[in-house]
Amino acid sequence: QKEVEQDPGPLSVPEGAIVSLNCTYSNSAFQYFMWYRQYSRKGPELLMYTYSSGNKEDGRFTAQVDKSSKYISLFIRDSQPSDSATYLCAMRLQGAQKLVFGQGTRLTINP
Amino acid sequence: EPEVTQTPSHQVTQMGQEVILRCVPISNHLYFYWYRQILGQKVEFLVSFYNNEISEKSEIFDDQFSVERPDGSNFTLKIRSTKLEDSAMYFCASRGVSQPQHFGDGTRLSIL
Repeated sequence: QKEVEQDPGPLSVPEGAIVSLNCTYSNSAFQYFMWYRQYSRKGPELLMYTYSSGNKEDGRFTAQVDKSSKYISLFIRDSQPSDSATYLCAMRLQGAQKLVFGQGTRLTINP
Repeated sequence: EPEVTQTPSHQVTQMGQEVILRCVPISNHLYFYWYRQILGQKVEFLVSFYNNEISEKSEIFDDQFSVERPDGSNFTLKIRSTKLEDSAMYFCASRGVSQPQHFGDGTRLSIL
């Protein structure tokens, strides 16, 4: 079983739709969870950062962590063409340095 | 907004040659990282660096790799004798205490 699994897509939705992106993981000891956005030929850009379980909202973005199911989600409301990018989930153990990434989901928002 | 900067953006090197990738982390950050992403694959951790020493490294980070913080601003990754399979995007990241990691835009390394 892969440590972090993420559907690579591609995912294509119309402008204004709500987008749901997900990752599952196998190691229940992960405590820190992140979502990064990566545009073509650019580095990962931090979108959301959460510790342990719960929800976090920032503008049009909401991150959810369900540790009991080992499942994390990122929701994008009122999606815009500028949201078209690859979205990477990443997670870290308490006391560890390395981030473990998912494969990334390629998202396209169609005008 | 402060950012991690990496140079060069693209490096082409002959197999067997040494290469040095350079990074300027965000000022005041204390933790530094290198990751790589082979085309079509996941971002993979290579090494973390804190207080002038390696704090964690992956099995990829073998004796061919080394890191250094030669002065107060730069952080470098050296590959001593490059192989074809070292071709990848290399990302530098940094973070402050109890903060998430912020990434640069990467150096694309092409080994011929």
